[in-house]
Amino acid sequence: GESVGLHLPTLSVQEGDNSIINCAYSNSASDYFIWYKQESGKGPQFIIDIRSNMDKRQGQRVTVLLNKTVKHLSLQIAATQPGDSAVYFCAESKGNSGYALNFGKGTSLLVTP
Amino acid sequence: DAGVIQSPRHEVTEMGQEVTLRCKPISGHDYLFWYRQTMMRGLELLIYFNNNVPIDDSGMPEDRFSAKMPNASFSTLKIQPSEPRDSAVYFCASRSIQYNEQFFGPGTRLTVL
Repeated sequence: GESVGLHLPTLSVQEGDNSIINCAYSNSASDYFIWYKQESGKGPQFIIDIRSNMDKRQGQRVTVLLNKTVKHLSLQIAATQPGDSAVYFCAESKGNSGYALNFGKGTSLLVTP
Repeated sequence: DAGVIQSPRHEVTEMGQEVTLRCKPISGHDYLFWYRQTMMRGLELLIYFNNNVPIDDSGMPEDRFSAKMPNASFSTLKIQPSEPRDSAVYFCASRSIQYNEQFFGPGTRLTVL
């Protein structure tokens, strides 16, 4: 029979609201974290990154928060727009490896009008 | 720059056949990464190169998979013989040593019947 695929957590928000996407990482030695956005049929696209010596970084409409104590990362999107609908992945650097990335499973964000 | 270029965009083949995926990284980038994305396992790093030299191939599933980078502007990922479980989207990404961001190509969707 057909294999069961990975069920992505889904976050549904209304246009104009703020979105918060969460991610837990496992490697306490990771020193670099990135958020990627992937639209259907496309490759992942860089959104924002943060190093472990920071706990917050802001970009255009996006903010990443890093809590190293509980190994938690979040992405905040302000005034969410329909074009923000996509799958969002957090990724951590894989040790001293040229920043080869270890990706999380992803969260699907659906923005409704 | 045209970004990371991958070919073919879609490949359908029969079990046992050899498959070759191609990647042209962004000019001047020092690192090249091959990832595989499936619903079951998400986005996985297969192998990465630094200045055309393979650095970490621990993610390559088995001996049926091989990757080469004969020069700074071209890399191949070969599967021989292919199996239905190899069906996935294969992404190539590149980055410059000066920046942390990895730029992903559009991917090759491989279907092995």
